[in-house]
Amino acid sequence: NAGVTQTPKFRVLKTGQSMTLLCAQDMNHEYMYWYRQDPGMGLRLIHYSVGEGTTAKGEVPDGYNVSRLKKQNFLLGLESAAPSQTSVYFCASSYPGQGLPYEQYFGPGTRLTVT
Amino acid sequence: AQKVTQAQTEISVVEKEDVTLDCVYETRDTTYYLFWYKQPPSGELVFLIRRNSFDEQNEISGRYSWNFQKSTSSFNFTITASQVVDSAVYFCALSGLSNFGNEKLTFGTGTRLTIIP
Repeated sequence: NAGVTQTPKFRVLKTGQSMTLLCAQDMNHEYMYWYRQDPGMGLRLIHYSVGEGTTAKGEVPDGYNVSRLKKQNFLLGLESAAPSQTSVYFCASSYPGQGLPYEQYFGPGTRLTVT
Repeated sequence: AQKVTQAQTEISVVEKEDVTLDCVYETRDTTYYLFWYKQPPSGELVFLIRRNSFDEQNEISGRYSWNFQKSTSSFNFTITASQVVDSAVYFCALSGLSNFGNEKLTFGTGTRLTIIP
């Protein structure tokens, strides 16, 4: 099993450009998440999904959109990139907790720089 | 609102020393879960432990041990006889109640641990 994979690993964008980050998991997890990691701020939840076709906002959703058309994939889009979106982006997935939260499995991250 | 505080930004110890990473949390939930994750230099976060709010027993796993104290809202992590491979950033996280379960995590800012050979 590959676990959670992210594409691309690195990307440099110019302000105003758009891009899509792809997350894929092969563990048949219902839940998927997108986080961003910034120095001194830990990980912050951007958007999450509790199943195919559903998405919800996290702590810092502004400037991002997501889609979950297939259970195994979770896409994160930046429509008009801004320097404030320079960050490392992590995707994660987990089983549905039904009251007991299972651990989240993380991808290797995507380092995005917006100039 | 939930909050996780890891006051130690960076710690350096000499190999084989013991080291404790502090985690203090805030929540209004009566049922919650605490986690520790390790982020090695490769970047990928690795799950270490999950503890629920009703279980205050300390846990030991090899050289790792965790001390959960509800009275002080702390969930500290101790590495005994540290090794160079323990060098990483360690995150404490809190999961509270939500509409679909307890999975939404609030992370602390992390503690960068460096083990000096």
